Amino acid sequence: NAGVTQTPKFQVLKTGQSMTLQCAQDMNHEYMSWYRQDPGMGLRLIHYSVGAGITDQGEVPNGYNVSRSTTEDFPLRLLSAAPSQTSVYFCASSPRVLDEQYFGPGTRLTVT
Amino acid sequence: GQQVMQIPQYQHVQEGEDFTTYCNSSTTLSNIQWYKQRPGGHPVFLIQLVKSGEVKKQKRLTFQFGEAKKNSSLHITATQTTDVGTYFCAGPQSGNTPLVFGKGTRLSVIA
Repeated sequence: NAGVTQTPKFQVLKTGQSMTLQCAQDMNHEYMSWYRQDPGMGLRLIHYSVGAGITDQGEVPNGYNVSRSTTEDFPLRLLSAAPSQTSVYFCASSPRVLDEQYFGPGTRLTVT
Repeated sequence: GQQVMQIPQYQHVQEGEDFTTYCNSSTTLSNIQWYKQRPGGHPVFLIQLVKSGEVKKQKRLTFQFGEAKKNSSLHITATQTTDVGTYFCAGPQSGNTPLVFGKGTRLSVIA
């Protein structure tokens, strides 16, 4: 099993550009989530999904969209990138919402 | 909403010294999880505690869940350079809701 994979590993965007961060898992997990990690701020939840077709907002959802059309994939879309979205983004999955979370390797995003 | 507070934010220890990080919640937690993140890496699950007063050990690591299920601690005995990283606790906001992570304790070990 590959576990949780994320692409790209690194990305530089200009302000106003849009892009999609990809996340996929091959463990048949129902629960998937996106976090951003900023220095001194820990991990903050952006969006999450408890199953295909179901998504909900986390603590910091503004400027991001998600969809969950399949169990395996949970892409995160930045609609119009801003410098405040410079961060490291982690995708995670687990069988259920309160189970052990499996994190992907992360995407380091810089918005100039 | 529920907040998870962790202290200290940073800890520098000499190799061989003990280390403890504490996690406190404003509400009762149904469970608490601990994760370790090595520098440049991603968080990796260490353990989950569910029962009031629960104590679990993993080699040199000891995890405790408070009697009131509002606090937890991670203690490392005789730290090694391999223990370097940031340790996070996480608990559900309420019921069956997503985990809220503390801000973490960054551990540095001086050889």
